[in-house]
Amino acid sequence: SAVISQKPSRDICQRGTSLTIQCQVDSQVTMMFWYRQQPGQSLTLIATANQGSEATYESGFVIDKFPISRPNLTFSTLTVSNMSPEDSSIYLCSVGDRADQPQHFGDGTRLSIL
Amino acid sequence: RKEVEQDPGPFNVPEGATVAFNCTYSNSASQSFFWYRQDCRKEPKLLMSVYSSGNEDGRFTAQLNRASQYISLLIRDSKLSDSATYLCGAYSSASKIIFGSGTRLSIRP
Repeated sequence: SAVISQKPSRDICQRGTSLTIQCQVDSQVTMMFWYRQQPGQSLTLIATANQGSEATYESGFVIDKFPISRPNLTFSTLTVSNMSPEDSSIYLCSVGDRADQPQHFGDGTRLSIL
Repeated sequence: RKEVEQDPGPFNVPEGATVAFNCTYSNSASQSFFWYRQDCRKEPKLLMSVYSSGNEDGRFTAQLNRASQYISLLIRDSKLSDSATYLCGAYSSASKIIFGSGTRLSIRP
């Protein structure tokens, strides 16, 4: 399966700042997704990153707070904007090739907001 | 009702025991299901895919019951290293995987 790298692996940020997380895949993939996993919770889908067009956001997530880019089939970024302590979480990107196939996850970005 | 539901556990069983847990899904149109394993502070890793009635891989067996809309995971001869959280996922009609909240499993010596 594809090798999926996320940067940074962790960060501690100040309230009100923004952080951009990168997801790089070593091969072209059809689908890329961004998830959030808060402490002790399961995975919550933030959005589907669409190559060359605006991301598709899930209910409760908006572009102004979580802008996403996907310039090509191997790379995507998620920005967490105007951060508050409630944004402290693990952010994970995942990739897949077909709608009936499993997704594979990057190693995650652990974000803490002070 | 959540689209995918799991018993959160924790399941605490002795080494060598057989343990099983279920995952129910509400979307009858779902065709593809997955079990992932997530270790503490790590990303989820695919354990098994389930497309028809079931799948088996060594000590792990997954079964799909479409009539009752649940997927089960059976672990035989459990090892200490099986301690983890097991996530169930089902493809929704919108080409995305919906995950359950996970079942925590702890194997004791």
